[in-house]
Amino acid sequence: DTAVSQTPKYLVTQMGNDKSIKCEQNLGHDTMYWYKQDSKKFLKIMFSYNNKELIINETVPNRFSPKSPDKAHLNLHINSLELGDSAVYFCASSQVGGNTIYFGEGSWLTVV
Amino acid sequence: GDSVTQMEGPVTLSEEAFLTINCTYTATGYPSLFWYVQYPGEGLQLLLKATKADDKGSNKGFEATYRKETTSFHLEKGSVQVSDSAVYFCALKLLPYRDDKIIFGKGTRLHILP
Repeated sequence: DTAVSQTPKYLVTQMGNDKSIKCEQNLGHDTMYWYKQDSKKFLKIMFSYNNKELIINETVPNRFSPKSPDKAHLNLHINSLELGDSAVYFCASSQVGGNTIYFGEGSWLTVV
Repeated sequence: GDSVTQMEGPVTLSEEAFLTINCTYTATGYPSLFWYVQYPGEGLQLLLKATKADDKGSNKGFEATYRKETTSFHLEKGSVQVSDSAVYFCALKLLPYRDDKIIFGKGTRLHILP
């Protein structure tokens, strides 16, 4: 069983569209994250949720809106997609106070 | 602020060479330290970790020792293989703060030549 799973793995869409990436973890963790990896491979945290509560919200455009229906899910919705949103988006989870973070396999988003 | 600095790549080595990828960190408190690996076209995988000073993490022939005195966590492997070609990320996680997050270095791309 995949511990942190995210869908879709690949997504190609046009500028201006709205899209969502879903993430689920079956590890029983309290905390979930979204990270963005740009073309230079640099990984930057976007959001962190703890028990459905937003904890970290880095400088991310308002077009990005995370939604956590329960602590096992953290979805990322992106409005009005722009070319610069093309990246790999990683979902991750950990236990609060735990010392390991587990990543999903990534979602490759290409905006054309 | 808290940060991770790792050597810039790409690093190109011949098969069976000795590998060192340097990593130093700046952190308030007592972080856990990690190395993650990303193979071409794949996601992030945890390679090894160390949670306190002098701990040594090891996996797949790779090792790294948590050095608090030098705030370092250098990755080493005695004999690299072509299959080790990937991007390697050093990272830290602060504990036990509620807003804990993992902070990554910028990654080091490794090319191993046959």
